[in-house]
Amino acid sequence: DVKVTQSSRYLVKRTGEKVFLECVQDMDHENMFWYRQDPGLGLRLIYFSYDVKMKEKGDIPEGYSVSREKKERFSLILESASTNQTSMYLCASRTGQSGTNEKLFFGSGTQLSVL
Amino acid sequence: GDSVTQMEGPVTLSEEAFLTINCTYTATGYPSLFWYVQYPGEGLQLLLKATKADDKGSNKGFEATYRKETTSFHLEKGSVQVSDSAVYFCALSEWNTGNQFYFGTGTSLTVIP
Repeated sequence: DVKVTQSSRYLVKRTGEKVFLECVQDMDHENMFWYRQDPGLGLRLIYFSYDVKMKEKGDIPEGYSVSREKKERFSLILESASTNQTSMYLCASRTGQSGTNEKLFFGSGTQLSVL
Repeated sequence: GDSVTQMEGPVTLSEEAFLTINCTYTATGYPSLFWYVQYPGEGLQLLLKATKADDKGSNKGFEATYRKETTSFHLEKGSVQVSDSAVYFCALSEWNTGNQFYFGTGTSLTVIP
């Protein structure tokens, strides 16, 4: 079965720390995405990548960066964590070969708390 | 720009009740439409989809019909179960915007025995 794995289910960090959220997919997908999920706001796109070494800003990239050195791995980096980055982070992937009807596969999410 | 609006929750229903969760969208072209479900403690998973006008997506007793004239994709189920308790997200994906997904804010459903 297809799988998107996020390295941590729960994470607690201090303000100012550098935080790495890791995501690995085993489906050879070209496209990978990072969302954050907040109550009442739904899912908001932070960054995405259409292929290795490529990255594009989503709707809310401020305070975040990403790394895609290998096709299967997409990392989200919080350069200096702040309390307003406390959220559920969801990674997703999708094949890049089709059009609009290709679905996203999601990981289980990482609940990050910044104290 | 593209957007999705879905009814606010939370929604609480008794087992075997009829469910409707409303979803309307705004798009510049011809999007594909999706319903995703998120069970407690899990990520989102695809529930159903429809790729063109008048298509009906269905899965696990849930249905939604792509209505271009009303720009809607309402989710329905005739008889809900306790196991349907989850958060439901309506979403669209469109070629004009690089196949990006746009999600609604989610509707929490609780089904009580």
